[in-house]
Amino acid sequence: GDSVTQMEGPVTLSEEAFLTINCTYTATGYPSLFWYVQYPGEGLQLLLKATKADDKGSNKGFEATYRKETTSFHLEKGSVQVSDSAVYFCALMIGSNFGNEKLTFGTGTRLTIIP
Amino acid sequence: AAGVIQSPRHLIKEKRETATLKCYPIPRHDTVYWYQQGPGQDPQFLISFYEKMQSDKGSIPDRFSAQQFSDYHSELNMSSLELGDSALYFCASSSLWQRGNTIYFGEGSWLTVV
Repeated sequence: GDSVTQMEGPVTLSEEAFLTINCTYTATGYPSLFWYVQYPGEGLQLLLKATKADDKGSNKGFEATYRKETTSFHLEKGSVQVSDSAVYFCALMIGSNFGNEKLTFGTGTRLTIIP
Repeated sequence: AAGVIQSPRHLIKEKRETATLKCYPIPRHDTVYWYQQGPGQDPQFLISFYEKMQSDKGSIPDRFSAQQFSDYHSELNMSSLELGDSALYFCASSSLWQRGNTIYFGEGSWLTVV
């Protein structure tokens, strides 16, 4: 079945460090790929997405490129801030029929940024 | 912009009781999803509805049921609650015709079973 494998956490970095959170996927079709972020005590927020190979999603300084050849969608940010501390979920979506385009999530990576 | 609204935000129930969670999707969204996120876990898909009809079913226990009403809001009913049902329950919505069918989540309803 479809699945997402995500970099194990927790990850702790100093402010202004470079961030990479690895994500690879297994899918039988051509998924759309997403990164969601969950801040402490809050819900899931869409961070960025890519719907086809070689697409790059970007938002708030975060980027991820849909790499079909390596089945990856790694999340990167050049300079992290304390406010980026959160849990990050990689997810894929496949669905060809109305209403069954559900998301399959990775296990989440907890990121803590130290001032 | 309007988001997905869930109520209640927090709920405490005793074992074997019943709980009902409500979800109001983003206006003009035609699909509603329910997810369960246990402590320290990733969200698990429970069930979805498209245009008020059940469209897909995941790991939803038989003790749980859900429906989508004519105004597109949805309710998740949970009966014979168990301690293991304690979790954050997310509702999400999407529109097949808008913005690449991105799924937007509500802030979740925290259920604690004691």
